[in-house]
Amino acid sequence: VQLQESGPGLVKPSETLSLTCTVSGGPMTSYFWSWVRQSPGKGLEWIGYIEDSGSTNYNPSLKSRVTISIDRSRTQFSLNMGSVTAADTAVYFCARVRDGYFLDHWGQGTLVTVSS
Amino acid sequence: QSVLTQPPSVSASPGQKVTISCSGSSSTVGNNHVSWYQQFPGTAPKLLIFDNYKRPSGIPDRFSGSKSGTTATLGITGLQTADEADYYCETWDSSLSAGLVFGGGTKLTVL
Repeated sequence: VQLQESGPGLVKPSETLSLTCTVSGGPMTSYFWSWVRQSPGKGLEWIGYIEDSGSTNYNPSLKSRVTISIDRSRTQFSLNMGSVTAADTAVYFCARVRDGYFLDHWGQGTLVTVSS
Repeated sequence: QSVLTQPPSVSASPGQKVTISCSGSSSTVGNNHVSWYQQFPGTAPKLLIFDNYKRPSGIPDRFSGSKSGTTATLGITGLQTADEADYYCETWDSSLSAGLVFGGGTKLTVL
């Protein structure tokens, strides 16, 4: 299974960050699909996940600004994060979730910088 | 401040053993499985341990995991310079703010 993030590397403050993760080499069914981010020099922060049913679960600290969606026909899932600030500058990873909690396959990550 | 507490750094010499702790609560480590990840600079995390002690295929048995109460522990024996990396624990938080949580990470230095 391989995952690959794609999307703009630069987003202006107050705008919406949009990223897509393309999954290849395995099915999307029976798994959850997650986004995790890592601010420069910091630790990992879970953003949220989407189940193959379409149900979602988000980090309470980001919930008001985040939407994760899935397009099984294109084997992709996406992250939208609104009203971004410089604090949202980070490397964003997509990952596959197994058994509802651990992340067994990760994308390489993509750096998103929030700056005017 | 992370929900799961890890030491910021640990160090040991090649060939020695090191342990990294991950302290949580009854709503996290105490009642849920724990996983561990290894991350080298500029790369994605890699799954090392899941379900407290299980290793994915390809992970050497020098890496081990255990859990007692609200503390999980990652052990690495026969340390190699190639093991120098950041290590993160992760679990499910079944409190009102249910979701996945990570530890703050531990930088392992192999002297």
